[in-house]
Amino acid sequence: QKEVEQDPGPLSVPEGAIVSLNCTYSNSAFQYFMWYRQYSRKGPELLMYTYSSGNKEDGRFTAQVDKSSKYISLFIRDSQPSDSATYLCAMIGPSTGGSYIPTFGRGTSLIVHP
Amino acid sequence: DAGVIQSPRHEVTEMGQEVTLRCKPISGHDYLFWYRQTMMRGLELLIYFNNNVPIDDSGMPEDRFSAKMPNASFSTLKIQPSEPRDSAVYFCASSLRKTGLIGAGNTIYFGEGSWLTVV
Repeated sequence: QKEVEQDPGPLSVPEGAIVSLNCTYSNSAFQYFMWYRQYSRKGPELLMYTYSSGNKEDGRFTAQVDKSSKYISLFIRDSQPSDSATYLCAMIGPSTGGSYIPTFGRGTSLIVHP
Repeated sequence: DAGVIQSPRHEVTEMGQEVTLRCKPISGHDYLFWYRQTMMRGLELLIYFNNNVPIDDSGMPEDRFSAKMPNASFSTLKIQPSEPRDSAVYFCASSLRKTGLIGAGNTIYFGEGSWLTVV
């Protein structure tokens, strides 16, 4: 079992829909939780990050962490065709040597059609 | 800032040939990472450097892969000899200070990738 599991999709939704993207993880030591967005033929870029459990909102995006269930989510409200991309979750926790290198999920491909 | 710059963007090579991928990190960043991305395995960390010194190369798949960072503004990832299963997108990324210290300027910044096809 991988440390971080993420359904690769694709997830196809109509414009305006609420999108829910999710990751599960097995390492209870993870402390920081991030979502990266990757457009086609581009590198990933940080979208949001949260520390420990709880919610964080940024415009149409809400990141949610449930450490008790080892489950994180990214919600996108009023989805737009420009949100079409691959969304990768990433997590950081103490590791050997204290390096704090993120562990990435495989990414979920999101398609928002007009 | 120009961001992380990688070259070449695309490379098609024959099996057995040497491949060299190049990276210029963001100026002032002291961590440099090499990742490989495939549909099957997602984004995998191959190796990372801190202040030009390799810290962890446990992700390098085999001895055919090597990476160097001769100075703070340049790194290479070399595959010799290349094989078809090496076909993937290779990303270079850089960050400032330890990535565990999340905050402005501490995130990992990725380049646009080098798309490698070995036939």
